[in-house]
Amino acid sequence: EPEVTQTPSHQVTQMGQEVILRCVPISNHLYFYWYRQILGQKVEFLVSFYNNEISEKSEIFDDQFSVERPDGSNFTLKIRSTKLEDSAMYFCASSERPSSGSARETQYFGPGTRLLVL
Amino acid sequence: GQNIDQPTEMTATEGAIVQINCTYQTSGFNGLFWYQQHAGEAPTFLSYNVLDGLEEKGRFSSFLSRSKGYSYLLLKELQMKDSASYLCAVRLEAGTALIFGKGTTLSVSS
Repeated sequence: EPEVTQTPSHQVTQMGQEVILRCVPISNHLYFYWYRQILGQKVEFLVSFYNNEISEKSEIFDDQFSVERPDGSNFTLKIRSTKLEDSAMYFCASSERPSSGSARETQYFGPGTRLLVL
Repeated sequence: GQNIDQPTEMTATEGAIVQINCTYQTSGFNGLFWYQQHAGEAPTFLSYNVLDGLEEKGRFSSFLSRSKGYSYLLLKELQMKDSASYLCAVRLEAGTALIFGKGTTLSVSS
């Protein structure tokens, strides 16, 4: 069964450093998402991406964040200058299409990258 | 703001039936999703409701009442492996992000 994959599984970095989190969405999916979950808290939306551009972003997704689809398979989240409060599990998700009333709009999540900023 | 409420914790015994409720007050509605999340792992999709009524998938069923802003997830014939967090999530419009509740941690004992 196709699945979303993410690398690395764990990342430790120093405050102020740049990190790039990588995701390979399910191959026939067109919509891509990043979410994060701080330990013990709820899953929070960061950004969605379709047709090579951001379609929606949350207040969390400020200027230090960026996303890119550098080739036909990868989808990346870059944090330019990490802060202590960026420590969280980052999940990538993808869906086939967002139309209403169809199971094909279900978002499937990758296993996550646990980011620790020291 | 958007509000999604679920009980924080529930306990049940093996073989039993448990119902996890979710109420929502959101500015829009285009579907309600239930995910299961084991500790330290990704949310995995369980069920999806966009119209009122009951959706059944094996041991899991989910119900939606849009007029009441209410959903529940019903788990039957509970097994120890069902011990996990169950996340209720609402999508406001087609193609947009999911808004998650805080999740309900279910503990199943023998």
